[in-house]
Amino acid sequence: DQQVKQNSPSLSVQEGRISILNCDYTNSMFDYFLWYKKYPAEGPTFLISISSIKDKNEDGRFTVFLNKSAKHLSLHIVPSQPGDSAVYFCAAMREAAGNKLTFGGGTRVLVKP
Amino acid sequence: KAGVTQTPRYLIKTRGQQVTLSCSPISGHRSVSWYQQTPGQGLQFLFEYFSETQRNKGNFPGRFSGRQFSNSRSEMNVSTLELGDSALYLCASSLSPSGYNEQFFGPGTRLTVL
Repeated sequence: DQQVKQNSPSLSVQEGRISILNCDYTNSMFDYFLWYKKYPAEGPTFLISISSIKDKNEDGRFTVFLNKSAKHLSLHIVPSQPGDSAVYFCAAMREAAGNKLTFGGGTRVLVKP
Repeated sequence: KAGVTQTPRYLIKTRGQQVTLSCSPISGHRSVSWYQQTPGQGLQFLFEYFSETQRNKGNFPGRFSGRQFSNSRSEMNVSTLELGDSALYLCASSLSPSGYNEQFFGPGTRLTVL
């Protein structure tokens, strides 16, 4: 049972434009959500997070939106840069479950110069 | 500050063998989690250790085990290897298992089972 899903396996965007990555979850007990970026041969790197009590969090070019009623979150990257080309993972956790992260399947982003 | 280190980086084993992977967390971090990444199943949580105690366990068979030492370094062991155990094994460290502490991932150990 996949509790966190990223339905788009890949995304191609022009440099300077917006990248929008989507993520859906089924477990209403999740109370914290994170986005990670992964390059080949490296471990995931934390990007941005959001608590379930908020609906938006912004950090530089990255903004995460959370719609609890729809159990949906999205990551916006504006403007997209070639260095953003990587695999992006959405993850969710419950404070009661310690540091256990439940990951989505990932979205591969390609930013074209 | 040194990051999370994992050794070895690459490993080739044959079916039926066992393997031990090592993870050294960031200095001062006491929580270590392990994840398996495969093309079919994605990134899946294996277990988490804090203060030498397993705090949480994912849905993996008993062939997968781990431990944590007093210096917070952790090892995971897979016995009776199967072809399906071929994966990237990632370790993540954080300050503690409580609250929303940022987790820092190591580069992983790529295990190939032949």
